[in-house]
This record gives sequence, structure tokens and C-alpha cells, in this order.
Amino acid sequence: QQQVKQSPQSLIVQKGGISIINCAYENTAFDYFPWYQQFPGKGPALLIAIRPDVSEKKEGRFTISFNKSAKQFSLHIMDSQPGDSATYFCAGKFGNEKLTFGTGTRLTIIP
Amino acid sequence: ETGVTQSPTHLIKTRGQQVTLRCSSQSGHNTVSWYQQALGQGPQFIFQYYREEENGRGNFPPRFSGLQFPNYSSELNVNALELDDSALYLCASSFGFYNEQFFGPGTRLTVL
Repeated sequence: QQQVKQSPQSLIVQKGGISIINCAYENTAFDYFPWYQQFPGKGPALLIAIRPDVSEKKEGRFTISFNKSAKQFSLHIMDSQPGDSATYFCAGKFGNEKLTFGTGTRLTIIP
Repeated sequence: ETGVTQSPTHLIKTRGQQVTLRCSSQSGHNTVSWYQQALGQGPQFIFQYYREEENGRGNFPPRFSGLQFPNYSSELNVNALELDDSALYLCASSFGFYNEQFFGPGTRLTVL
């Protein structure tokens, strides 16, 4: 009931292209949906987050699209760059409870 | 402003031993959460400490225990280590429960 399912497991995108990572959640009480970026040997770093009262949030090249009725949200990375190569995690959270993470997507941007 | 720091960076233990991992929270943060990240997986919540009290626990056995000190730094203790305890252990700090959690770089624990 607390699961967050993430796809794809890995993704290869050409430089300049659009990277899209999808997540689906089960717990309708979740009220905070962050995306984290993790480089090898580092802890996850918050990239962008959304609350369910909006359908889209954009910060620079990163956009979250949120579909409350479908219980899905996605991360779009526009004009993908080699420096974006990392593992991305979506997560969900309700109030003061724990973050529930997806299984991660390893993104590789090729020249 | 100093971020979240963790020590040690790497640790190798043998099965049955005990280990203590340490975390210094970011300045001004009073809440620390611990996560276990197995290879190729997302972080799994272990427990959270707020003002020196445990506030929420994930699906981990009692041999995983913790402490939070008056300066809000924290320790994670694992007794009777098992091979499956090999993972990256992440500490995250925040100001209260509702605000953004900032993660440290983690401690890589290998159990042989």
C-alpha cells in the first residue's frame, strides 16, 4: 500500500533529447512527491518536488507532470546533458511520515 | 553552512559483529532519518529521530537501533550483523517532519 513503482529501470538518451521517467503510487494520502538525483558515491539530492494541488511544476530544464486521478507522476528532463547522467529516484510522503522511494532509474546521456 | 556529514565512509565487518555509524545533521536541523540503500535499490526507511526521541520506524528488526544526541547528531547501531546488511546507509536531516530532507553521502557497509 505504500509502494512507489518507477520505470524504466535504465534509460539511454542522446544529448539534447528529452528524458522521461515515470512513477506510480498507491497511497492516495501522499501529499508530497519529490524527485532525487544521485551520483555514484553520493547521497540523493533533491531535484524538484510537487504537491498534488498542481498538475505541473517546472524548474529550469526539469518538469514534473502530475496526474492525481491516475496516481502517476513523471519527470521530464529537457535538453538532456551528459552531466545529467545519474540515478533518479521518485518518492512519496504523507505529512510527517517517512519518504517512500521508487526503485530508481539509471539515466545515461550519450553524445 | 555545513551539510550533513557521515562517518565512516566505508566499513568492513564480519557476520555477527556489531557496528556504529555516525551522522552530523545540517546546522539548524533537529530531525534525523536513517535509510538503508541496497545495491540497485531505492533507500528504505529505517527510523527517524526528533529531539532525541524515535519518531517512526520502518520494517527493520530490533537489532537496528539508534540514538540522537542533544546537538541533534545521531548514531545508527546494528547488532549481530548479517550478510544482507551490506548496503549504503544514508542519514538525512531536516527541520521538523514536514520540510525537505538533506542527505549525507552515506556509509558503505560490507559484511563478510
